[in-house]
Amino acid sequence: NAGVTQTPKFQVLKTGQSMTLQCAQDMNHNSMYWYRQDPGMGLRLIYYSASEGTTDKGEVPNGYNVSRLNKREFSLRLESAAPSQTSVYFCASRDISPSTDTQYFGPGTRLTVL
Amino acid sequence: GENVEQHPSTLSVQEGDSAVIKCTYSDSASNYFPWYKQELGKRPQLIIDIRSNVGEKKDQRIAVTLNKTAKHFSLHITETQPEDSAVYFCAASRPGNTGKLIFGQGTTLQVKP
Repeated sequence: NAGVTQTPKFQVLKTGQSMTLQCAQDMNHNSMYWYRQDPGMGLRLIYYSASEGTTDKGEVPNGYNVSRLNKREFSLRLESAAPSQTSVYFCASRDISPSTDTQYFGPGTRLTVL
Repeated sequence: GENVEQHPSTLSVQEGDSAVIKCTYSDSASNYFPWYKQELGKRPQLIIDIRSNVGEKKDQRIAVTLNKTAKHFSLHITETQPEDSAVYFCAASRPGNTGKLIFGQGTTLQVKP
C-alpha cells in the first residue's frame, strides 16, 4: 500500500495563478482532509470530506475549493493564488474503527506564491 | 469555535530527562484527544491518543493524561532519547462522524545527547 500520496511535492506560483493539489489514498478510508501548516500555527483544517460525495468547510476555507472525485481522490484548488497561501499543504485520510481513530497524512506539498 | 492552546512552544531537555507538553481546549463537548509527532521534513504521525472516558493512557515511554474538568491534557515522555526530537502537536475532536481535528500550535522538542 502506498498510503496517502500527494502531488506535486513542490510548487512555485505567481500571484493570481491557479493550481490543483492532488491527493489519493489506497486504504479505502471514507473521510479525507486538507490542512495547511504555517510556522507557529500548527495544522489548520481547510476543507474535509466525511464521505464520498460530501465536502465541507474547515477553519480556513477562503481562497480554496475542493473536489472529492471518488473514494480515493480528494483535490484542493487555488483559483487565484495569493502570497498568504504560501504554506505546506497536507492531505490526510481517516481510519476509524472501535479500536482506532487515526488520520494518516500524505508527504505534503510545499507551495510558494510570489 | 473550538480552540486548542499548547505550551510550551519550544522545549529543550537532556537525554534521559522527562518532557511534558500541555494543552487546553475550549469546547467541553470534545471527547477525543490525539497527539501527533512530526520529524523535520516529514509528515505528522499519530503517537498516542486518549478518549474522554479515560484519565490516563500509557504506551512504553509515552503517556497522556486528561483532566476533563479543567479541560486540559498533557503528553509525558520519560527517558527521552535524541530520536524523540521533533515537533509534537496535540489536537481535540468533538463526537460525530466528521473526524475534524483542531490542532494546537505545536511544541518543538530538542533532546540534547
